Order: sequence, then structure tokens, then C-alpha cells
Amino acid sequence: DSGVTQTPKHLITATGQRVTLRCSPRSGDLSVYWYQQSLDQGLQFLIQYYNGEERAKGNILERFSAQQFPDLHSELNLSSLELGDSALYFCASSDRDQETQYFGPGTRLLVL
Amino acid sequence: AQSVSQHNHHVILSEAASLELGCNYSYGGTVNLFWYVQYPGQHLQLLLKYFSGDPLVKGIKGFEAEFIKSKFSFNLRKPSVQWSDTAEYFCAVKGNQAGTALIFGKGTTLSVSS
Repeated sequence: DSGVTQTPKHLITATGQRVTLRCSPRSGDLSVYWYQQSLDQGLQFLIQYYNGEERAKGNILERFSAQQFPDLHSELNLSSLELGDSALYFCASSDRDQETQYFGPGTRLLVL
Repeated sequence: AQSVSQHNHHVILSEAASLELGCNYSYGGTVNLFWYVQYPGQHLQLLLKYFSGDPLVKGIKGFEAEFIKSKFSFNLRKPSVQWSDTAEYFCAVKGNQAGTALIFGKGTTLSVSS
């Protein structure tokens, strides 16, 4: 157990819908990262927040957005969902940018 | 472009065999290097990491990796694998400045037969 929690574990929804994935970092960690893991693209970095502010952006679609709240938990919002958005979404946290990232158990999203 | 290349997509070994998984990276500047493991149905777990110092790093469960700067490589090794090492292994690289992303390789699936 890494100390990073993610909810829900599984999510099944339809195309065009919007979902919210939640992540709570390890106690004391200020940075939260979101990743998408799919069979064809592998593990792709989406976005990073540090103490509430966006720090780095990766291959995140405009239909996706994220935020980090004052209690440091983060939410990833996925809207206008398409079949190709079906993937495993991981959250990771670290205490500083240069430090090791610890991963949560992931949310498996299935878009039908 | 920044990238990580893992040479083997799928490796099949018998128990007690030695393991070496290749990893090469393309990245400008000073890097931090990682190997993560993902057991079936589980999340990514850190095996080992290299930030600086001794280029031979030891991780959990008997794994080690060697950073060879001139070859841009960070290969993972284990002298004797066990059935429980069956998993997917990911090499990753990150710049050592703030705001740089962790870039993963495509992963290598290791299957160990008993």
C-alpha cells in the first residue's frame, strides 16, 4: 500500500458523459500527478499539481481538466467521453518535484 | 524528443534463471531514473531509483540496475528470478528540474515458469 488512494476503483459510463476521478495523496505530499495507461499508448503523463497550482502539463486533452484542493486531494474531470478514453487512470504523489512518485491503485474507466 | 525505450516486450524465463531488462533513454540534461513494477491487477510499485552517486543501485526483492551515462542506459538485473517476479516492468526517466514529467517506457512483461 503506497498511501495514495483513488476512488472509484471502477467506472462504467457511456459516450458523451462526464466523470470525476478522485485522488488523495500520501500524507504530507504536496505534488499530485495524473497518468493514463492504455494498451496502445502505454503510461502517459497528463498533468501535475503542486500545492494547489498547476505545475506541468503533458498529453492531456482539452476535454480533460484537473484541480487540487486546499486539503491537497485532486480530482480529474473527463468530459464528452469517447470510446478511446477507456483506460486505467493512475494518480501519484510526491513530497517534492524531484522526489520519487508513489502511485495509487488506479481507476479503471470503461466507456461504452 | 524525450523518450524511453525498453528493448523487450515480453520475456519468458524459468525459475532461477538470470534476468536483464534493457532500458535506453533520450533526454537532454541531468536525469533521475526509475524502475517500477506492476504485478497482475495491482498498482505501480517502485523497485529502485537512481538520482546520483554510485551508478549501481540496489532495490527491493534482489533487483539492481546500472546507470551507464555514456550509453544512456539503465538496465535492470536480477541473478535468479522467482515465479513471484511475474509482472510488468517499467523504466522511467525524469529531468531533475521542477515541473518535468516522468516519462515511461512501454513496459516489459516478464513471465516466470516454475
